[in-house]
Amino acid sequence: GAVVSQHPSRVICKSGTSVKIECRSLDFQATTMFWYRQFPKQSLMLMATSNEGSKATYEQGVEKDKFLINHASLTLSTLTVTSAHPEDSSFYICSARDSGGTVQDEQYFGPGTRLTVT
Amino acid sequence: GEDVEQSLFLSVREGDSSVINCTYTDSSSTYLYWYKQEPGAGLQLLTYIFSNMDMKQDQRLTVLLNKKDKHLSLRIADTQTGDSAIYFCAEKVGAGTALIFGKGTTLSVSS
Repeated sequence: GAVVSQHPSRVICKSGTSVKIECRSLDFQATTMFWYRQFPKQSLMLMATSNEGSKATYEQGVEKDKFLINHASLTLSTLTVTSAHPEDSSFYICSARDSGGTVQDEQYFGPGTRLTVT
Repeated sequence: GEDVEQSLFLSVREGDSSVINCTYTDSSSTYLYWYKQEPGAGLQLLTYIFSNMDMKQDQRLTVLLNKKDKHLSLRIADTQTGDSAIYFCAEKVGAGTALIFGKGTTLSVSS
């Protein structure tokens, strides 16, 4: 099946620094990728929709200047958490939609990135 | 509005059947999904059902969809300790859109 990778899988950074998380579709092209955030024992909340070659669409309440998204190629989207604070500590998960299109229009999820801000 | 609800916890004995329930509000849902998440891991797609289907079975998993009541269930037959995880119900409303997730049901299987 289709594979989506995320890098890094786990990162610890100091408050005030920036962290970049990569999401790659390994064997398919994805014009659309989604970034979710999951707090402990909570559901996945959509943060933004990343479209290749255009600006990301952010959900209400998500600061676009804080969570920078770049989708420069059909296989890579990056999420940069700028000036991270402890409250940004969370599990970030991306998903990628296969542009080739399947019957069920499936989205493939990455394994997630655990961000801890100290 | 869009909302997906699940019960938060389910506890069963090994060998029993588990039934996890989910309700959703958007009648224009196209696909409904069940994902499994083990501690510290990402999401694993277990199964999905198209909105014009009533039932789908895949080995130990049976999905039932009652579109009239907007109710989805996942039955796991012969539940094993390895099935212990959080199970998320999710819906997709339009083509190419993000999924809307429930809060997840924590399944605990005791031996």
